[in-house]
Amino acid sequence: DAKTTQPNSMESNEEEPVHLPCNHSTISGTDYIHWYRQLPSQGPEYVIHGLTSNVNNRMASLAIAEDRKSSTLILHRATLRDAAVYYCILRGLASSNTGKLIFGQGTTLQVKP
Amino acid sequence: NAGVMQNPRHLVRRRGQEARLRCSPMKGHSHVYWYRQLPEEGLKFMVYLQKENIIDESGMPKERFSAEFPKEGPSILRIQQVVRGDSAAYFCASSPEVDSYGYTFGSGTRLTVV
Repeated sequence: DAKTTQPNSMESNEEEPVHLPCNHSTISGTDYIHWYRQLPSQGPEYVIHGLTSNVNNRMASLAIAEDRKSSTLILHRATLRDAAVYYCILRGLASSNTGKLIFGQGTTLQVKP
Repeated sequence: NAGVMQNPRHLVRRRGQEARLRCSPMKGHSHVYWYRQLPEEGLKFMVYLQKENIIDESGMPKERFSAEFPKEGPSILRIQQVVRGDSAAYFCASSPEVDSYGYTFGSGTRLTVV
C-alpha cells in the first residue's frame, strides 16, 4: 500500500475550523483515501473517504487535490470531543490487499477551549 | 443495532497463561479484521477472516497466536503462553463485504500480562 505522510500533531481552538493535511505522492489510480480517528481509549472510528472528488458528510469534509497527491480533512467547527488521533489511509481494491487498513502514526489533534 | 462487541474490555493474565479475546461483528457482517496496538504505538493489522476461513494472516506472529471465526458465534483471537510483550489493546473491525468503504471497530480488549 502507498505511504501517507501527516504532521505528528496539530492544535486548534474550539469552534474554529481545522484543516488536517495528508500527503500521498505515490497514490495509485485505484487507491481510495480514507480517514479514521481514534479518541482516547477507544477503537478507531470511520470519518470519511473519497477517490477524486471532494466529499462532505455530517462529520467532516474531504478536499482532494486535483493530482490526488495530497488531501485535507476539514472539521468545520472543532469541539473538545474532536480531540483525537486522525489517520489518513490509502486503501486499494480488495483484490490487491484483502481490504486491510494500514495505519500510520496519524496526527494528534488537540483542541483548546 | 448493536455495534461491534468485544469482550472482555480488560483482561489480566499471568505469564504462561492463555488469553482468549472475543469479537462479535455487527449484524449482517461476515468479515472480521483484528488489529493490535502496543503501548505508545500505532495500530498493526493482524488477521482478516470471513466465516470459517482465514483470508489474510500476514500480520499474525508465527507462534502462539491463532484466530478463528466459526459459522456460529464470535470471532476468537487466542494467545497461548502469554508474555509481557503481548500486553496491548486488541481491536476488531467488521464489514458486510470486503470492499466496504468504512469499517466499524469495537472498543477493544486491553490485555495486561503480569
